[in-house]
Amino acid sequence: DGGITQSPKYLFRKEGQNVTLSCEQNLNHDAMYWYRQDPGQGLRLIYYSQIVNDFQKGDIAEGYSVSREKKESFPLTVTSAQKNPTAFYLCASSSHAGTGLKNIQYFGAGTRLSVL
Amino acid sequence: GQQLNQSPQSMFIQEGEDVSMNCTSSSIFNTWLWYKQDPGEGPVLLIALYKAGELTSNGRLTAQFGITRKDSFLNISASIPSDVGIYFCAGRVSGTYKYIFGTGTRLKVLA
Repeated sequence: DGGITQSPKYLFRKEGQNVTLSCEQNLNHDAMYWYRQDPGQGLRLIYYSQIVNDFQKGDIAEGYSVSREKKESFPLTVTSAQKNPTAFYLCASSSHAGTGLKNIQYFGAGTRLSVL
Repeated sequence: GQQLNQSPQSMFIQEGEDVSMNCTSSSIFNTWLWYKQDPGEGPVLLIALYKAGELTSNGRLTAQFGITRKDSFLNISASIPSDVGIYFCAGRVSGTYKYIFGTGTRLKVLA
């Protein structure tokens, strides 16, 4: 069953703690993305990766870090430097990276992060 | 970051009614996407549009890529209770990799 798997579904962070959100895809997509969603707002891009071992900052990268060691995996770490981490986090992937027309993004089911 | 203007913000309609929503931007886009998001889930792609003036249907859903390339419209005909959710538009500027997302239209259908 092909798709994008995010885990866990719910995550709680204590103050000063780093937490890591998992994103795995078996679609053989080159590009992967992380978005943050807050109530009443559109999706905001945190980081994206067009190829293994390479990634770029999005619009709101401060307080977050990522890695792309494998094509199918793009974990997001929410660090203690992110002072307002409570949000719904969405991972996406696309088959064609960059500016081509076929760069259509498909999403995982999301991880809801809350602060204790 | 840049965002699209999506309207209306929310709609309450009776089952069987038709629905229209739209997105406008100050930038010219070369791709428009429409997604539906259920509570606590990720957005699901409904329709993708690639050319100005393009009109594409997916069942009861019809979307259009505006002639000016700065807007897009989504229509849902004969709404049913499972149409409830948040509908997002997303547009991409030619030559860039990033999508810009609208703030969503929250649809509620009254049986």
